[in-house]
Amino acid sequence: QKEVEQDPGPLSVPEGAIVSLNCTYSNSAFQYFMWYRQYSRKGPELLMYTYSSGNKEDGRFTAQVDKSSKYISLFIRDSQPSDSATYLCAMSDNYGQNFVFGPGTRLSVLP
Amino acid sequence: DVKVTQSSRYLVKRTGEKVFLECVQDMDHENMFWYRQDPGLGLRLIYFSYDVKMKEKGDIPEGYSVSREKKERFSLILESASTNQTSMYLCASSPPGTGAFYGYTFGSGTRLTVV
Repeated sequence: QKEVEQDPGPLSVPEGAIVSLNCTYSNSAFQYFMWYRQYSRKGPELLMYTYSSGNKEDGRFTAQVDKSSKYISLFIRDSQPSDSATYLCAMSDNYGQNFVFGPGTRLSVLP
Repeated sequence: DVKVTQSSRYLVKRTGEKVFLECVQDMDHENMFWYRQDPGLGLRLIYFSYDVKMKEKGDIPEGYSVSREKKERFSLILESASTNQTSMYLCASSPPGTGAFYGYTFGSGTRLTVV
């Protein structure tokens, strides 16, 4: 079993849809959870960051962490064509020594 | 507003060549990383460095080496390129200590093809 698994996609949705992107993980030591967005031919950029369980909202984006289920999600409301990208989850333990990325989900938002 | 710069966007090299991939960051970050990114496998850590002259192996260091002579520059070296090293290579940097928790800053990547 991989340490971090992510819905492989690709995922295509119409403009305005609510998008749910998900990751599961196996290491209970993970405390820090991040979502990166990667546009084509670019490096990943940090989108959102959360610590431990709970929700965090930033505009149209909401990150959710359920440590009891070892499950994290990124929700995108009112999705736009400019949201079309690959989304990677990432997580780390308290010491930052074990920093792991998920394989990514490619999202296309169709106008 | 360029913060992490990788010297080449695309490279084509022959099997057996020695290949240098250069990365420079202008954020005065202590930590620098080299990843490769392959479809279905995601980002895999090759080497990282927490300080000048310091290097640590990541998850897949075989066939690679690194050099960090200056704080801002971290070079990845393919000693003898092979076709299975065809990949997208991404350099990243982060502040020291808990800075890693706030995310890495990535370069735009170098797509290397070994023929």
